[in-house]
Amino acid sequence: AQRVTQPEKLLSVFKGAPVELKCNYSYSGSPELFWYVQYSRQRLQLLLRHISRESIKGFTADLNKGETSFHLKKPFAQEEDSAMYYCALSGGSQGNLIFGKGTKLSVKP
Amino acid sequence: DAMVIQNPRYQVTQFGKPVTLSCSQTLNHNVMYWYQQKSSQAPKLLFHYYDKDFNNEADTPDNFQSRRPNTSFCFLDIRSPGLGDAAMYLCATSRSPGKGTTEAFFGQGTRLTVV
Repeated sequence: AQRVTQPEKLLSVFKGAPVELKCNYSYSGSPELFWYVQYSRQRLQLLLRHISRESIKGFTADLNKGETSFHLKKPFAQEEDSAMYYCALSGGSQGNLIFGKGTKLSVKP
Repeated sequence: DAMVIQNPRYQVTQFGKPVTLSCSQTLNHNVMYWYQQKSSQAPKLLFHYYDKDFNNEADTPDNFQSRRPNTSFCFLDIRSPGLGDAAMYLCATSRSPGKGTTEAFFGQGTRLTVV
């Protein structure tokens, strides 16, 4: 069964501190992994996808197949990074998208 | 500019009175999803369409139904809303695997209140 686990419900850091939001997944094949972000009162939107290996808004995420992890990192958090972050997995022939429970990131001044 | 549009943004319905939420897309994506998101919780997948094929999640109550008359439109029908069905309902679209990335695009959501 496919499953996405985000162990931290809330992560609170000070501005300028490094951030790591954890995500582990369970899937028997080769899934696509994503990070979605939901800012206050805005729609859910894509932040990163593993296949792009890109850095968006200073965030990066590396897929570690051995550890089945896709942790989201940023070296220096900013206040505007405060939001809900969801790790998501898309797999199977029909690509249904499953979300983790989310981590609320709070960046304090 | 909006690519996934949900109507209405806010819906108030009476307990037990059928209600329909709508979603349209301009992306020509073949996969459409409906999620339920309750306060401070993750989006929970209710069902999705892969082209015309309907895929229900195992734990989606029978009270929830869906229709997809064409590629662009998808509807969520709640036959007899209960107080526990009050939530934000999110529609999303994506391409299927093999047709490019399966990144999902979300609508703004419809907030359903049951009174």
